[in-house]
Amino acid sequence: EAQVTQNPRYLITVTGKKLTVTCSQNMNHEYMSWYRQDPGLGLRQIYYSMNVEVTDKGDVPEGYKVSRKEKRNFPLILESPSPNQTSLYFCASSFNRDYSPLHFGNGTRLTVT
Amino acid sequence: KQEVTQIPAALSVPEGENLVLNCSFTDSAIYNLQWFRQDPGKGLTSLLLIQSSQREQTSGRLNASLDKSSGRSTLYIAASQPGDSATYLCAVTLGSRLIFGQGTELSVKP
Repeated sequence: EAQVTQNPRYLITVTGKKLTVTCSQNMNHEYMSWYRQDPGLGLRQIYYSMNVEVTDKGDVPEGYKVSRKEKRNFPLILESPSPNQTSLYFCASSFNRDYSPLHFGNGTRLTVT
Repeated sequence: KQEVTQIPAALSVPEGENLVLNCSFTDSAIYNLQWFRQDPGKGLTSLLLIQSSQREQTSGRLNASLDKSSGRSTLYIAASQPGDSATYLCAVTLGSRLIFGQGTELSVKP
């Protein structure tokens, strides 16, 4: 089944403890991206990658890192999480950002205490 | 700065009604516009993608239109069903950015 898989679905952690949210797609998509969704602010883009080894900042990249060493994987890294990073996170992918629809994962709900 | 606005924020209709959801954007230099559906606790599902050179796209009971010059898109849902209840979001691709509206929460009552 074609899908975008995020893990974990739920994560509770403490301030400053490094964490990684994984994202994997099995559709050979070139474009991958991360978003956070917050009440009243909607969905905002964190980072995106047009292809392997190519990553760029979105609208809210502060406090996050990403890597794209393989086409199928695009992990989101929080080196030192803070409570303001408590949010619902989504990974998405598409063949081509400008011409193809985005496929989303089911989300990761992160709570930082 | 590009802004994407969706009106209304919430909509409740009886089953069988035809309805229109609205999306407006401030910068007309978009590459495309997408409509998504989000169910509670789930990710987004792409419904329709309209390229900047296109005027509309159709899929089943859904029809999306795009008017770049006026900065507007509409999503028309025909013969609504309770299973259509969800939040509908539009998003525009502008340069390197994908910008979402806040969504319209639709409830279709049996």
